[in-house]
Amino acid sequence: QVQLAQSGAEVKNPGASVKVSCKPSGYAFSDFYIHWVRQAPGQGLEWMGWINPKTGGTNYAQKFEGRVSLTRDTSIAAAYLGLSRLTSDDTAVYYCARAFGRSSPDHWGQGTLVRVSS
Amino acid sequence: DTVLTQSPGTLSLSPGERAILSCRASQSVTSVYLAWYQHKPGRAPRLLIYGAYSRATGVPDRFSGSGSGTDFSLTISRLEPEDSAVYYCQQFESSPLTFGGGTKVEIK
Repeated sequence: QVQLAQSGAEVKNPGASVKVSCKPSGYAFSDFYIHWVRQAPGQGLEWMGWINPKTGGTNYAQKFEGRVSLTRDTSIAAAYLGLSRLTSDDTAVYYCARAFGRSSPDHWGQGTLVRVSS
Repeated sequence: DTVLTQSPGTLSLSPGERAILSCRASQSVTSVYLAWYQHKPGRAPRLLIYGAYSRATGVPDRFSGSGSGTDFSLTISRLEPEDSAVYYCQQFESSPLTFGGGTKVEIK
């Protein structure tokens, strides 16, 4: 059974950084890309980027270039989203999702709420 | 960026009725790169349709996708109470991957 388990909710001050983890199970970690998508309160879904766990290669949405970092640790089969210089606009639920190569993400994590507030 | 415009914003229908959701792209999207998702509050999005027409595993056959080029549709043939959700189209042909703004389906 495919599952993507994400880390728990975070509360951060403006200007801080956050790191969210995603630990898939039920399939070979390196065989599927990991995408990150967020949803701000009352808003739609917004794609942030993907990482190829096999090579470490990444592709970021230009909006987040310079602030986002997608990494992975193949030794423990985990993927990470790092986001720096947080503002209140970054308050959102962050999802990881897997996709086989260039295909639509088919399994998603449960989401991680990141709240940015002073 | 490829902008996806979904309409209507909200659809309020009774059980058993048919819902037709529209997704219009700002530039042509190859069908294989168009997907539809169902999203319920507090849940992870669920892949319904991939490649514009193909149902994902476990998706009931009352859900169907159609369209090509810049105009795509998701049809729910006989609405059931559990179909209440927001539905998003997504393209992944060009970067950045983009989602439509969503259509909220309400069951009366």
